[in-house]
Amino acid sequence: EDKVVQSPLSLVVHEGDTVTLNCSYEVTNFRSLLWYKQEKKAPTFLFMLTSSGIEKKSGRLSSILDKKELFSILNITATQTGDSAIYLCAVVDGTASKLTFGTGTRLQVTL
Amino acid sequence: SAVISQKPSRDICQRGTSLTIQCQVDSQVTMMFWYRQQPGQSLTLIATANQGSEATYESGFVIDKFPISRPNLTFSTLTVSNMSPEDSSIYLCSVEENSEETQYFGPGTRLLVL
Repeated sequence: EDKVVQSPLSLVVHEGDTVTLNCSYEVTNFRSLLWYKQEKKAPTFLFMLTSSGIEKKSGRLSSILDKKELFSILNITATQTGDSAIYLCAVVDGTASKLTFGTGTRLQVTL
Repeated sequence: SAVISQKPSRDICQRGTSLTIQCQVDSQVTMMFWYRQQPGQSLTLIATANQGSEATYESGFVIDKFPISRPNLTFSTLTVSNMSPEDSSIYLCSVEENSEETQYFGPGTRLLVL
């Protein structure tokens, strides 16, 4: 059974701090790893990672994948209150396009 | 990316009743999925909605409880049958676009069963 573990479960930081969110996984047939941001109901897509060592970047957010050690990190620099959300990591099973989600990291950015 | 809409956005239902949730996409997509997110939990895949054939259900989910229809490549419905308070969750549809390997989510339906 595919498994995704995220850490920490929750995090409170001050605006301007840099945070690193962790995601480790076990999957039988790995196709890709996805990061989402969930503020209310719908997760919004952030990154898709398929290759090790290649950083994906979007503004203050960046992510990288290590397929040897089976983990990924999501970095957020110069955090803002609008970054407060649950960040979800999911792995995609290559045989059936199924997503297995981690429990998420709840990030709160305070003034 | 595709624009996905869901109806209703939220509902409050009595136990024993059924609710059908609709998911509409503005373009044809090959893969459509239904997820559940119980309070304080992460997303769990209920089933893959297959066009023209029966849905493929994940372990712990059955067709009698969560019947799914997918009459074409842009539309699907999920019915939550004979509801109990344990069915109170957010229900989300997602699509995987034909040219990408990323799933995008609809806005979700927040269901409360009393």
